[in-house]
Amino acid sequence: NFMLTQPHSVSESPGKTVTISCTRSSGSIASNYVQWYQQRPGSSPTTVIYEDNQRPSGVPDRFSGSIDSSSNSASLTISGLKTEDEADYYCQSYDSSILWVFGGGTKLTVL
Amino acid sequence: QITLKESGPTLVKPTQTLTLTCTFSGFSLSTSGVGVGWIRQPPGKALEWLALIYWDDDKRYSPSLKSRLTITKDTSKNQVVLTMTNMDPVDTATYYCAHCAKNWFDPWGQGTLVTVSS
Repeated sequence: NFMLTQPHSVSESPGKTVTISCTRSSGSIASNYVQWYQQRPGSSPTTVIYEDNQRPSGVPDRFSGSIDSSSNSASLTISGLKTEDEADYYCQSYDSSILWVFGGGTKLTVL
Repeated sequence: QITLKESGPTLVKPTQTLTLTCTFSGFSLSTSGVGVGWIRQPPGKALEWLALIYWDDDKRYSPSLKSRLTITKDTSKNQVVLTMTNMDPVDTATYYCAHCAKNWFDPWGQGTLVTVSS
């Protein structure tokens, strides 16, 4: 198995850009797709990025995803921050045995 | 439109067995490639994947909880059932079921909070 490590929290001002990282502990980040989920307080998670960099319909293009093989990590970037973006964000991937792994979550504060 | 809803007890005693039902609509669990997964979240903590069942009855379990979990499906009723044995207070969490296609979860149910306490 492997772990996905995220920063515990990040904060940024409205209108700015923030990037949340997700580092895979073993195996290549590129070997399996990475998804990103947004979870607002008291709500269920919803998908903001799937398959590394794809946005579901209805998710604004302010949200983007990427992977970096050199750092073995995935990133979620949110530009033009809005107060409504304040939430917990989780990355998720799986290993070759088709077992799902979630990152520890990152609390985004939009000050 | 795909929807899922979890149901089951809100309170269980330590050592008891938890049985949760996920009732869904908008898709069929007999369609190739489709699965339903269970994920839990202790209060204030991260998401943890528990189990998943595929359309062909292939079942996958979290290695750390495999001995305590059983997942089954009733295609005719559009339901997936998760049982977890020997419940402990550390199992207190919100339990979610979610539709799974291409190995990611979307959408999720509203979740059900299960408290383990005597």
